Amino acid sequence: GEDVEQSLFLSVREGDSSVINCTYTDSSSTYLYWYKQEPGAGLQLLTYIFSNMDMKQDQRLTVLLNKKDKHLSLRIADTQTGDSAIYFCAESNFNKFYFGSGTKLNVKP
Amino acid sequence: DTEVTQTPKHLVMGMTNKKSLKCEQHMGHRAMYWYKQKAKKPPELMFVYSYEKLSINESVPSRFSPECPNSSLLNLHLHALQPEDSALYLCASSRLTGDEQYFGPGTRLTVT
Repeated sequence: GEDVEQSLFLSVREGDSSVINCTYTDSSSTYLYWYKQEPGAGLQLLTYIFSNMDMKQDQRLTVLLNKKDKHLSLRIADTQTGDSAIYFCAESNFNKFYFGSGTKLNVKP
Repeated sequence: DTEVTQTPKHLVMGMTNKKSLKCEQHMGHRAMYWYKQKAKKPPELMFVYSYEKLSINESVPSRFSPECPNSSLLNLHLHALQPEDSALYLCASSRLTGDEQYFGPGTRLTVT
């Protein structure tokens, strides 16, 4: 399968910005995704970006894509305690999704 | 509406039992998926259905048997499971394969 890598943990203070990073290997991926998973729950689709875009903004979320370096990031502005969760990046290639290992975001009050 | 529903939420079964997990979506999606997720790990793809036909089986043991009776429903039949099969089982759907996937809340399965 494809390799999608993320750092395992990120800790920020409430009100700060969070930046979660992801690297992938398949340059033919058409879309890249960010999902959020709270404890005991399913995955919630947060946002996605088409591979020919550099940036996408959606309210507090900003996705940046550096296709040359195969690097994807998710910035959460004004991080709240309710943002504490595991964040997965994923790339799609034909019929399959390849998920990163997930980054656990801890937001301290 | 981007809702995928799954029943039951929790299931405890013995190694000799037969049970089924159910998944439903009414978004008109033609691709549906089963994933297995162990604690602190990403979801692992098990099966993909496209237009009610099985298109991908990721070498899943035969004790897991998927079924897609119609375009809205996806079942996973379980028989003679092992304790290591205990996990969160997630269903997802997408408009077509390769499109963004919408996940259900999962079934937490415990095999005793």
